[in-house]
Amino acid sequence: QSALTQPPSASGSPGQSVTISCTGTSSDVGGYKFVSWYQQHPGEAPKLMIYEVSKRPSGVPDRFSGSKSGNTASLTVSGLQAEDEADYYCSSYAGRNNLVFGGGTKLTVL
Amino acid sequence: QVQLVQSGAEVKKPGASVEVSCKASGFTFTDYYMHWVRQAPGQGLEWMGWINPNSGDTKYAPKFQGRVTMTRDTSISTAYMELSRLRSDDTAVFYCARAPYSSNWYAVYWGQGTLVTVSS
Repeated sequence: QSALTQPPSASGSPGQSVTISCTGTSSDVGGYKFVSWYQQHPGEAPKLMIYEVSKRPSGVPDRFSGSKSGNTASLTVSGLQAEDEADYYCSSYAGRNNLVFGGGTKLTVL
Repeated sequence: QVQLVQSGAEVKKPGASVEVSCKASGFTFTDYYMHWVRQAPGQGLEWMGWINPNSGDTKYAPKFQGRVTMTRDTSISTAYMELSRLRSDDTAVFYCARAPYSSNWYAVYWGQGTLVTVSS
């Protein structure tokens, strides 16, 4: 059970869009619809942003969207705002009642 | 409102054990799986396992199997995570996180985190 692969960093200017990838295998990301994304600001607990690949919890802006193709899931943040600067983590069901997280991506708003 | 309140920071010596508690309120404790997640300083999130508070069934991540024990006390709506044979690289913030009713595979509500420092 290896961690999912995310780029260590991503960046964009205010108003732009940025996409963060999360690559796994057919045993986790590619095999199930249970991919989720979390936002974490420094010193805070993670916050759920996307669940089941593309669903948004109530209260999460529609600027955040999720998708999946094969073994790679993606989080897109449109219309970047300063408050979007944070660490983002993907996670996926990995079979046999296991969960796995990605290594995290630091998003910088330039 | 849903709240998960964790126990306070701990300092432990290598080889010791630590128990972190997570007191739930604002919902029926036995209706929702509880996950435990570790985050070492400056590092990413690491899933440790889950407990079904209704049955007491658990599932541990392979990395922690044999060192972690998750339990619960339904009378006080509290989940516990004990990690034994602590090493310096176990220094981390530990979170409890509640799954939704419809799925066990993501966490909607998180505790505030408990810092465990392992140092001689």
